Amino acid sequence: DAGVIQSPRHEVTEMGQEVTLRCKPISGHDYLFWYRQTMMRGLELLIYFNNNVPIDDSGMPEDRFSAKMPNASFSTLKIQPSEPRDSAVYFCASSRTMNTEAFFGQGTRLTVV
Amino acid sequence: TQLLEQSPQFLSIQEGENLTVYCNSSSVFSSLQWYRQEPGEGPVLLVTVVTGGEVKKLKRLTFQFGDARKDSSLHITAAQPGDTGLYLCALQGAQKLVFGQGTRLTINP
Repeated sequence: DAGVIQSPRHEVTEMGQEVTLRCKPISGHDYLFWYRQTMMRGLELLIYFNNNVPIDDSGMPEDRFSAKMPNASFSTLKIQPSEPRDSAVYFCASSRTMNTEAFFGQGTRLTVV
Repeated sequence: TQLLEQSPQFLSIQEGENLTVYCNSSSVFSSLQWYRQEPGEGPVLLVTVVTGGEVKKLKRLTFQFGDARKDSSLHITAAQPGDTGLYLCALQGAQKLVFGQGTRLTINP
């Protein structure tokens, strides 16, 4: 398996634009996580899915953020409209169960200008 | 308030020295994971500790879980430049994997 695949690797967008981040988890993993990493706040859990169903979205900062997992091999994190304070590295991770190793993608570095 | 506190936040030492970094929580946790993250990459799991007092070794890295399962430490012996990175501890609880802010370690040749 190629591991968790995220796209794009880098995204630069203007304030107010819609941004969509994509993730392909490892096949057979039932859990998918979206994290955001900044120097100030570290690695924050935004939302996670179990078997494609959102379980906990309490980390999603505001209504501008939304995430979907239409099937077991694909998830998106959308920000609409984007703001400069959304600039961060966004990671997707997947794991077989909640208590096993989480495998991370390489992240998407988002810059909102 | 951070659920997990890691210290120090930054550490820069010379190659060959020993070091210890810490992860502390006010809550008891069922298990704790240590990850290492290199620039431009996602975190990679190093070890999971489950039992209070448990010690695990990974080559020059020694991980210890406190007896009360509220703290953990990572000790590196004879640090090498390849050990440079961000070391994160992560707590599994309430059906979530929550990370500390990490210790950014730099090993100078």
